[in-house]
Amino acid sequence: GAVVSQHPSRVICKSGTSVKIECRSLDFQATTMFWYRQFPKQSLMLMATSNEGSKATYEQGVEKDKFLINHASLTLSTLTVTSAHPEDSSFYICSAPRSGELFFGEGSRLTVL
Amino acid sequence: QKEVEQDPGPLSVPEGAIVSLNCTYSNSAFQYFMWYRQYSRKGPELLMYTYSSGNKEDGRFTAQVDKSSKYISLFIRDSQPSDSATYLCAMSVGGGSYIPTFGRGTSLIVHP
Repeated sequence: GAVVSQHPSRVICKSGTSVKIECRSLDFQATTMFWYRQFPKQSLMLMATSNEGSKATYEQGVEKDKFLINHASLTLSTLTVTSAHPEDSSFYICSAPRSGELFFGEGSRLTVL
Repeated sequence: QKEVEQDPGPLSVPEGAIVSLNCTYSNSAFQYFMWYRQYSRKGPELLMYTYSSGNKEDGRFTAQVDKSSKYISLFIRDSQPSDSATYLCAMSVGGGSYIPTFGRGTSLIVHP
């Protein structure tokens, strides 16, 4: 069964609104989680590392004020896309390491109209 | 030059064929090598994980690492339509809570 759960799997929103995506580790604690973005036929691009109890670490070029990350507990990290624009439409995937292996969520398809 | 290069394909093969998927890399510090399978609109799942140069076999899948050439391969024997997916190579410098670098993925289509 899945070890990382991501919700929602698909979301459509209007331009200018904010969207929250949740990532949960199931049956294990994850002090670190990773958020990726994937465009069609492109690789997974790491956006940020979510750290429980502290600020997220963002990759170069990723706007931290636009992509808010909150790692509120040892099993939950959230990504909020603020003031979404059509160019933010993408596939967002979270992952969490467990016993040296990286487990991925099912991904969230965001479409901004 | 990207750290990890992978031909996006698509690669189309008949059922039963042997499939060869490859990646090259430039960072000699990479020590851990992984292959992930990603079905359409899903998150990636780990297929194979290797540390050293050489071959590792798991059922119909064989992962091969040649550190001297900075080249890794994934072979799929007796390919099935259910193998149709995108295969991403990934590699990292250290184990534990590592952050792998991914290739862009190769789209594989196995037709009946």
